[in-house]
Amino acid sequence: QSVLTQPPSVSAAPGQKVTISCSGRSSNIGNNYVSWFQQLPGTAPKLLIYDNNKRPSGIPDRFSGSKSGTSATLGITGLQTGDEADYYCGTWDNSLSAGVFGGGTKLTVL
Amino acid sequence: EVQLVESGGGLVKPGGSLRLSCAASGITFSTYSMNWVRQAPGKGLEWVSSISSSSTYIYYTDSVKGRFTISRDNARNSLYLQMNSLRAEDTAVYYCARGADFEFDYWGQGTLITVSS
Repeated sequence: QSVLTQPPSVSAAPGQKVTISCSGRSSNIGNNYVSWFQQLPGTAPKLLIYDNNKRPSGIPDRFSGSKSGTSATLGITGLQTGDEADYYCGTWDNSLSAGVFGGGTKLTVL
Repeated sequence: EVQLVESGGGLVKPGGSLRLSCAASGITFSTYSMNWVRQAPGKGLEWVSSISSSSTYIYYTDSVKGRFTISRDNARNSLYLQMNSLRAEDTAVYYCARGADFEFDYWGQGTLITVSS
């Protein structure tokens, strides 16, 4: 049972938009920045979004992040087959004094 | 080019010990917090431990407290994870990652630890 809650899977057609939610508590998402990571099959995770909504250099603006209260959302527009991957949210938890990840969401581009 | 290269993985018996290393290049290693993140086979990511740039602040997930020790040698641009009293549930790919506040912008390729008799 992960501290942060994500849907196990989402799917959408190529070219469409999808959102992935990440739900937490005041001790984690509510008071800390959220990051999002993409993990393609067989590879190391890759930072997509940090500080709730910032994109590292090289990440296309098809990827966006937002946060409201104790929830965060990753949005992906113009879906491509290459976006098929597992997506994870992560942040710090002040009560645990530890980092926490969501359980991950598998994106299928139909 | 930034590179993080983990080593030290392998097969170990329950109760055994292992030391992982993460060699950094292409970055000013001493100015960054570093982290260990693991992924059990077919499972999600789990944050394990982090260490600040000068080793002042160190944190662990509850399941490894008292068994794992994170350390770093800034002169050698290296991060370490000493793992003792290993359990079957510690079986995972272990990644080192650079950054603070979950801004993990560079990751190694991972090293597999298998704890089995």
